[in-house]
Amino acid sequence: GAGVSQSPSNKVTEKGKDVELRCDPISGHTALYWYRQSLGQGLEFLIYFQGNSAPDKSGLPSDRFSAERTGGSVSTLTIQRTQQEDSAVYLCASSLIAGMNTGELFFGEGSRLTVL
Amino acid sequence: AQSVTQLDSHVSVSEGTPVLLRCNYSSSYSPSLFWYVQHPNKGLQLLLKYTSAATLVKGINGFEAEFKKSETSFHLTKPSAHMSDAAEYFCVVSVRDQGGKLIFGQGTELSVKP
Repeated sequence: GAGVSQSPSNKVTEKGKDVELRCDPISGHTALYWYRQSLGQGLEFLIYFQGNSAPDKSGLPSDRFSAERTGGSVSTLTIQRTQQEDSAVYLCASSLIAGMNTGELFFGEGSRLTVL
Repeated sequence: AQSVTQLDSHVSVSEGTPVLLRCNYSSSYSPSLFWYVQHPNKGLQLLLKYTSAATLVKGINGFEAEFKKSETSFHLTKPSAHMSDAAEYFCVVSVRDQGGKLIFGQGTELSVKP
């Protein structure tokens, strides 16, 4: 696609429910990143993929969070048993190849999650 | 460990006056540094990047930043602010050997008054 696409753009859920957030990166980009942006917290790294493997999962806040990527393309971030503190904007980004240190990540517009 | 500190959470300027957004970095080696901009309800966009070439880096929309190793700074400047510059600005460092992972500063919200 022309840019990074994320869905849903907005999600309101009840505490304890599971949610899935989807990211469709730019075609041909092998690296994919998930970040979380909370009010007053800045951007927090969650996980990145090179192809289908995730060399760095260090940012996932708890075992309720998981992510997968299939076919080297679409990625899904799953949050189980959501808590109110999970409320944030979840941003996905992609780049041509991970580790190039060029810094040019292309970001989607994010999925805003609200947990009631 | 690499990190960045943005010294102001909010900066307010008048249209047509200079902009200065301050950033200090911490790195055990020569860092790759970036500024990203986020307009309201829009995705993050790369403004400019420093990757050990010229220390004065020019970006889009008239912004530039100067890498000063002696001061461990990478401040963002623009000679004359425009209303459309109102946005959140993030200073960012890239973590070497960790897949290009970016570490973001806390952000500086720039307001531009008419």
